Amino acid sequence: DSGVTQTPKHLITATGQRVTLRCSPRSGDLSVYWYQQSLDQGLQFLIQYYNGEERAKGNILERFSAQQFPDLHSELNLSSLELGDSALYFCASSVTSLNRGDEQFFGPGTRLTVL
Amino acid sequence: AQSVTQLDSQVPVFEEAPVELRCNYSSSVSVYLFWYVQYPNQGLQLLLKYLSGSTLVESINGFEAEFNKSQTSFHLRKPSVHISDTAEYFCAVSDVTGANNLFFGTGTRLTVIP
Repeated sequence: DSGVTQTPKHLITATGQRVTLRCSPRSGDLSVYWYQQSLDQGLQFLIQYYNGEERAKGNILERFSAQQFPDLHSELNLSSLELGDSALYFCASSVTSLNRGDEQFFGPGTRLTVL
Repeated sequence: AQSVTQLDSQVPVFEEAPVELRCNYSSSVSVYLFWYVQYPNQGLQLLLKYLSGSTLVESINGFEAEFNKSQTSFHLRKPSVHISDTAEYFCAVSDVTGANNLFFGTGTRLTVIP
């Protein structure tokens, strides 16, 4: 158990809908990262937050957004869903945002299926 | 920009045999290097990492990786694999001057055959 929790574990929805994925980082970690794992794109970094502020952005679509709340949990919002958004979405956390090579601790993921 | 190449998508190997999982990277800046492992239906776990210093790094469960700057490689090796090593292995890099986000390779599925 990494200490990172993600809810829900599975999500099945239809095209055009909007969903929210939730992540609680390890106790004491201030940075949260979102990654998407799909068969065709592999593991891709989406976005990073540090202590409530956006820190880095990767290959995140404009239909996707995220935020980190004062209690440090984070939510990833996916809207106007398409079939290609079906993937495993991972949240990870680390102590700081500074790149000292800190280990990122990954949650178990949320499997999103868009029908 | 960084990129990571794992040429072998699948590697079957018999139990107690040695294994090498290959990883090459491309980057215009200095990077940190990582190997993460993903067991079935689980999230990723850090296996080992290279930040600086000795180019040979080891994990607690017998894996080792060697950073080769001239060949831009960070291959993962184990002299004798166990059934429990069956998993997906991901090589990753992060820009030492940037944020801590990781760029992953496409992964190598290691299957240990009894």
